[in-house]
Parts: sequence; structure tokens; C-alpha cells
Amino acid sequence: DAGITQSPRHKVTETGTPVTLRCHQTENHRYMYWYRQDPGHGLRLIHYSYGVKDTDKGEVSDGYSVSRSKTEDFLLTLESATSSQTSVYFCAISESGNTDTQYFGPGTRLTVL
Amino acid sequence: GDSVTQMEGPVTLSEEAFLTINCTYTATGYPSLFWYVQYPGEGLQLLLKATKADDKGSNKGFEATYRKETTSFHLEKGSVQVSDSAVYFCALSNFGNEKLTFGTGTRLTIIP
Repeated sequence: DAGITQSPRHKVTETGTPVTLRCHQTENHRYMYWYRQDPGHGLRLIHYSYGVKDTDKGEVSDGYSVSRSKTEDFLLTLESATSSQTSVYFCAISESGNTDTQYFGPGTRLTVL
Repeated sequence: GDSVTQMEGPVTLSEEAFLTINCTYTATGYPSLFWYVQYPGEGLQLLLKATKADDKGSNKGFEATYRKETTSFHLEKGSVQVSDSAVYFCALSNFGNEKLTFGTGTRLTIIP
């Protein structure tokens, strides 16, 4: 299994509070991704990174920001959480991007009350 | 844009039955195609993939063939087991587009 951890694994928070989710990899892969999983939608890309300090938006990026200061860590921040951001969040990594295989972390279940 | 349509679930089968989960796609060029599996409470695991037309991906008794003429990548298994109960996602990736495009997932339940 690819060495990907996510923290926390579960979080309950209140509307309007900031939340940061962390993804950590031990594979030294260049590309890292954040997805959210919602019923009826499969997984949708929030943001991705193609190197340290290099990030770009995905299809559902509104309300989210990311940072990558080290190869192994990719942070997802909800600046002011809303109930619509209640979801399961998955981090993924890939070695060379594009059509290369992506490997997924165990997920973080976030509930915004 | 790219899209993936997969069979609506849930699907319930008896042990040792034959499985097919349909997946069709819309994409320009020559995407790579994937099947991922998600067991209860876990993240997604790559089950198999194919990177060009007529390629067959296979793993753990599952197979899928990349059919460009029908834009399909149907998942099959000859004899399912209770341990195959999970949610299965078809996905594609395309050059110039960093994301994986997923179908909505098919929940499979195998009964003894």
C-alpha cells in the first residue's frame, strides 16, 4: 500500500470555524490531490499540487485553500466551514500526474454543524 | 468535458454468480481508464487499469477491456465472493487534465 496518511480521520466542527486537514505521504511523489466524496457525485477534485508551492484549482475549489511547503505534506483549509462542506475528504498521490495512477489515503470524515 | 457513466446500483448477487458492472465514458483523445474499489470505512484502492484501446486490465479475478469503439470499460468477474462486497468506481484520466473523472459508484452486495 502507498504510504499515505490523513489527519484527523474524523472531525465535527461548527459553521464559521476554520478547519485544516492534513495529508502526509512517504512515497516522494510529485503530485498530490484533494477530493471530496458525496453521495450521487462520486469523487470530485478540489485542488491539486504538482510540486512544492505549486498548486492549482479543481472543479469544486470555492471555499477551500491549500498549501504545500514540503514534498510530503499537503494541507487543505476550509477558511470558514459551511454545512455544504460536510463530506468525506480523500487525499491522493501520483508519481507523474496526467494519466498516471493515483493512490488514495484512508479519508477524513468532516461534519459541519 | 470528460464524463463517466456507470451502472446504477445497488447490485445484489448470490455468491458464485457472474458479475458485470457497466461503465461508459465520454472523452477526447485517448484517456486511461480505471476501476477503483472502496470497502466499508476505507479509502479507494486501485483494482485495475488500462491505458490504451483493446488493453485488458485484470486483478483478483476481475477483468475489464478498454473498448474505444463502444467507449466502454465494463467490469466483470466470473464468480463473486462475499468479500467482493464493496462500492466500485469507474474513472478516467486524460492528458492535459490532472483530475480523475469518476462515475457515481456502484454498491455491490454479495449474499452467501
